[in-house]
Amino acid sequence: EAQVTQNPRYLITVTGKKLTVTCSQNMNHEYMSWYRQDPGLGLRQIYYSMNVEVTDKGDVPEGYKVSRKEKRNFPLILESPSPNQTSLYFCASGRGAEAFFGQGTRLTVV
Amino acid sequence: EDQVTQSPEALRLQEGESSSLNCSYTVSGLRGLFWYRQDPGKGPEFLFTLYSAGEEKEKERLKATLTKKESFLHITAPKPEDSATYLCAVQAIQGAQKLVFGQGTRLTINP
Repeated sequence: EAQVTQNPRYLITVTGKKLTVTCSQNMNHEYMSWYRQDPGLGLRQIYYSMNVEVTDKGDVPEGYKVSRKEKRNFPLILESPSPNQTSLYFCASGRGAEAFFGQGTRLTVV
Repeated sequence: EDQVTQSPEALRLQEGESSSLNCSYTVSGLRGLFWYRQDPGKGPEFLFTLYSAGEEKEKERLKATLTKKESFLHITAPKPEDSATYLCAVQAIQGAQKLVFGQGTRLTINP
């Protein structure tokens, strides 16, 4: 079964404490991406990766880092989270009609 | 800059009452327009891809259409299980890696 697995599903953290949200896919997709979803703003792309070791900024990359050391994994790193990064985050594997989204990670930064 | 605007923001219908959702877009050369369905607490699920003006796609009670400036998602005789947020996204020919999403339309079907 095609799957995109994100962890954790829910996270409450404090300002400045580094955190990582993991994303793993089992479809052998080369393309993976991260989005954040905020009320009234829709889904906005944070970073994307065309393949292993190939990543690039999306529309809202400030305050985030990513890495792509293996094809199946694409973690999102917040080095020093701030309250304005409180949001619902989605990892996606594949593009357009082939895009599968994870279940989402609801992050609260206090 | 590529933009997508969806209307209405929210729509409440009675079961069996047909209607349409709108997605207006501006893009510098359209590679594809996509419709997704998103249920509460879940990630978006792919519904349709449209590539050129005049194209139509159907799936059960849903039909998506495309013109050069907008797309419509027509819902015929909806059922309560059609309640969800419907998202529209475009992918440009240039810089074709990214999907640009609209804000979504939250659809509620009352029994």
